[in-house]
Amino acid sequence: DAKTTQPPSMDCAEGRAANLPCNHSTISGNEYVYWYRQIHSQGPQYIIHGLKNNETNEMASLIITEDRKSSTLILPHATLRDTAVYYCIVRGNSGGYQKVTFGTGTKLQVIP
Amino acid sequence: DGGITQSPKYLFRKEGQNVTLSCEQNLNHDAMYWYRQDPGQGLRLIYYSQIVNDFQKGDIAEGYSVSREKKESFPLTVTSAQKNPTAFYLCASRRQGTDYGYTFGSGTRLTVV
Repeated sequence: DAKTTQPPSMDCAEGRAANLPCNHSTISGNEYVYWYRQIHSQGPQYIIHGLKNNETNEMASLIITEDRKSSTLILPHATLRDTAVYYCIVRGNSGGYQKVTFGTGTKLQVIP
Repeated sequence: DGGITQSPKYLFRKEGQNVTLSCEQNLNHDAMYWYRQDPGQGLRLIYYSQIVNDFQKGDIAEGYSVSREKKESFPLTVTSAQKNPTAFYLCASRRQGTDYGYTFGSGTRLTVV
């Protein structure tokens, strides 16, 4: 599986959009980009995933560059409850076990 | 509601004792995973299982053991051979062969006293 690179921390004002970047320059053609978040002392929560098209759900939007080497998770109107560590991972979906690395993620602090 | 349940939420162990962490899912997922998380760190894979009666070592399996006798259950035993067991342990499951992501439990915080 491709490895990902994320900034260690970011701040965002409450009510503003939070844009969290992720680099995955070694991603292969069949690998999806997934985003999870972990609120302190809880298990990670799935947010969104995509292959090459931009995706949107009730939680967030995912923008993937045309070359698929990077992506951005967008929380359109950040709230204090969005303060968490956000993980970007990539994995294929061809079945069988595929090693997935959850790095240290980006610690997002939403500021009142 | 379907989900994945870890118990207990907090666990204290004396040095030299084995302890078993429970993980149960009713999502009908084939694959299950155990991760360890230390403060300020990412998740490290301990063991994983893709089908019943089969499991594989992850990156940090030494001092741990697992079993997968039922699809729904994947208990993790932290043995006395694990030299630094104090950590936050997370169990996850996933449906195979789809683009679904992982579903995580709420974790067990193990402290050696």
